[in-house]
Amino acid sequence: EVQLVESGGGLVKPGGSLRLSCAASGFPFIDAWMNWVRQAPGKGLEFIGHIKSKRAGETTDYAAPVKGRFTISRDDSKNTVYLQMNSLKSEDTAVYHCVWESRPGEFGPWGQGTLVTVSS
Amino acid sequence: DIQMTQSPSSLSASVGDRVTITCRASQSISRNLNWYQQTPGKVPRLLIYTASSLKSGVPSRFSGSGSGTDFTLTISGLQPEDFATYYCQQSYTLPWTFGQGTKVEIK
Repeated sequence: EVQLVESGGGLVKPGGSLRLSCAASGFPFIDAWMNWVRQAPGKGLEFIGHIKSKRAGETTDYAAPVKGRFTISRDDSKNTVYLQMNSLKSEDTAVYHCVWESRPGEFGPWGQGTLVTVSS
Repeated sequence: DIQMTQSPSSLSASVGDRVTITCRASQSISRNLNWYQQTPGKVPRLLIYTASSLKSGVPSRFSGSGSGTDFTLTISGLQPEDFATYYCQQSYTLPWTFGQGTKVEIK
């Protein structure tokens, strides 16, 4: 069974940093392209960024609102993907989901998410 | 980035109704369009991929069509469990982008 478990969310002040982790199991993580997608309270889905497998170059892509502030990385020895978030703003408040890109551009399965609240 | 625009933003319908949701891309995305369903408190699930292919396990009352910039999701015979929010998403080019969602509510 595929499992994606996010951790690391919490309350942080504007301008602060936070690192989220996503522990994966039940599928060949080493070949997986992994994504972060967020959902602000009561709002829609927003793609944050994506990291390809090492075999595919481990390249990353980011959405415009987070480019230069957020960084995605992976540790294949731990089956874990990370989201480093810097210079956080109130508009970054959301549930952050880790998502396996099971086929290029297709999302699923999804983790349950971790809530990040940016507030003073 | 490619912008995805859904219409309507919300709609009210009754059990048994036929419902159509549209999604428009800001540029041609060929048939690289996926549809997701999200019920309250749950994570999204993929319904349709590459515009018209039904994901395994998804009821056949769901169908998708379109290509280029204009796409539709149709639910033929709405069931109680279909009241949810539906999102389109382009998989043509990074960054992947979603529509703003269409909430299907009970009339």
